[in-house]
Amino acid sequence: TQLLEQSPQFLSIQEGENLTVYCNSSSVFSSLQWYRQEPGEGPVLLVTVVTGGEVKKLKRLTFQFGDARKDSSLHITAAQPGDTGLYLCAGAPGAEYGNKLVFGAGTILRVKS
Amino acid sequence: DAGVTQSPTHLIKTRGQQVTLRCSPKSGHDTVSWYQQALGQGPQFIFQYYEEEERQRGNFPDRFSGHQFPNYSSELNVNALLLGDSALYLCASSPMNRVMNGYTFGSGTRLTVV
Repeated sequence: TQLLEQSPQFLSIQEGENLTVYCNSSSVFSSLQWYRQEPGEGPVLLVTVVTGGEVKKLKRLTFQFGDARKDSSLHITAAQPGDTGLYLCAGAPGAEYGNKLVFGAGTILRVKS
Repeated sequence: DAGVTQSPTHLIKTRGQQVTLRCSPKSGHDTVSWYQQALGQGPQFIFQYYEEEERQRGNFPDRFSGHQFPNYSSELNVNALLLGDSALYLCASSPMNRVMNGYTFGSGTRLTVV
């Protein structure tokens, strides 16, 4: 069974601060995605990383896939209240395990103005 | 272009009853996956449908069943509802040949069992 552990579970910071969310596993994933979910809505895909060591930037968000493809991180620079939400990492275990995505438990981020 | 559409948005049922949730995938997507999400938690995989067949199944009892129609839309059925089935049920779609690149989710159906 492939499991993804996210940390921290909850983060409350002031506007303008930086933060990092971690997603770790003992399993290798063929790709890893990050989603953001707001209350009452479904998750929205932010980014997909597929290559070990890959780094992707989306404005103030930086995503990194570990060299061994077992972990990932999301770094937000100068957080804004609009960044508030539930951040989820999701891994694709690979074709031999089917085409499902395995999700972490999520990190609830609250950015106060 | 409409994304993933789920109905109903909210539902209240009594223990022991049966419920059917519906999903229309994004145009061009042929694979539908269903997830259960408890409050403040990550989504848990229920099952995935492709070509009208259940292709993958998570750790859910047989009370949870589904169907996919020729137009790629899908239904999730839950029998003999328990209080613990109360959750947000999410439908996600993707093209089968690009499923590793992420899903498009609907807004979900909030099921409350009383």
